[in-house]
Amino acid sequence: SQKIEQNSEALNIQEGKTATLTCNYTNYSPAYLQWYRQDPGRGPVFLLLIRENEKEKRKERLKVTFDTTLKQSLFHITASQPADSATYLCALRMDSSYKLIFGSGTRLLVRP
Amino acid sequence: GAGVSQSPSNKVTEKGKDVELRCDPISGHTALYWYRQSLGQGLEFLIYFQGNSAPDKSGLPSDRFSAERTGGSVSTLTIQRTQQEDSAVYLCASSGGLAGGTDTQYFGPGTRLTVL
Repeated sequence: SQKIEQNSEALNIQEGKTATLTCNYTNYSPAYLQWYRQDPGRGPVFLLLIRENEKEKRKERLKVTFDTTLKQSLFHITASQPADSATYLCALRMDSSYKLIFGSGTRLLVRP
Repeated sequence: GAGVSQSPSNKVTEKGKDVELRCDPISGHTALYWYRQSLGQGLEFLIYFQGNSAPDKSGLPSDRFSAERTGGSVSTLTIQRTQQEDSAVYLCASSGGLAGGTDTQYFGPGTRLTVL
């Protein structure tokens, strides 16, 4: 069966450390993988997109890796801040489709 | 408008009643999507519009769910004879509809539906 898995347990880290979130998938061949941030009571906000032929993408303090052999994406936030506390969702997109297939998200808590 | 807006923000209804949820996409966006998010879960795709037509309705959970889009803008998601399992946050997103897969979806704040 097709699955997207994100750690359901909250990730609790100290301010200034690097947060690393994982997205694993099975039985999909996505052309694109996206990461979104969602705050309570709000819709998701797009952060980064990485293509299947890209290994790594960076934007300010954010870094995403995409390993199509392992079927895994890692999302890193360096020098984390309490304001980074939110739920982070990964989403897959197949080449032939417009829809996004979302994981259930991982909640990140950054302690001051 | 500046972003995607949805109304109402909250809707409480009784089992068996019909509800309509509205989405106003970003002006000029040709693509519109509806998703559903249950408590603690990821987003579940419901339907996709390109202009006024819906080439992908694959996510609609039953024939009680329908959606339309008029004038290439506003969309309405209708749930008939609501059931308790319909309780969720219904999210709308719009995008420029660009080809090539890098199209970014912009989400509204959602409508929280509670069926008693």
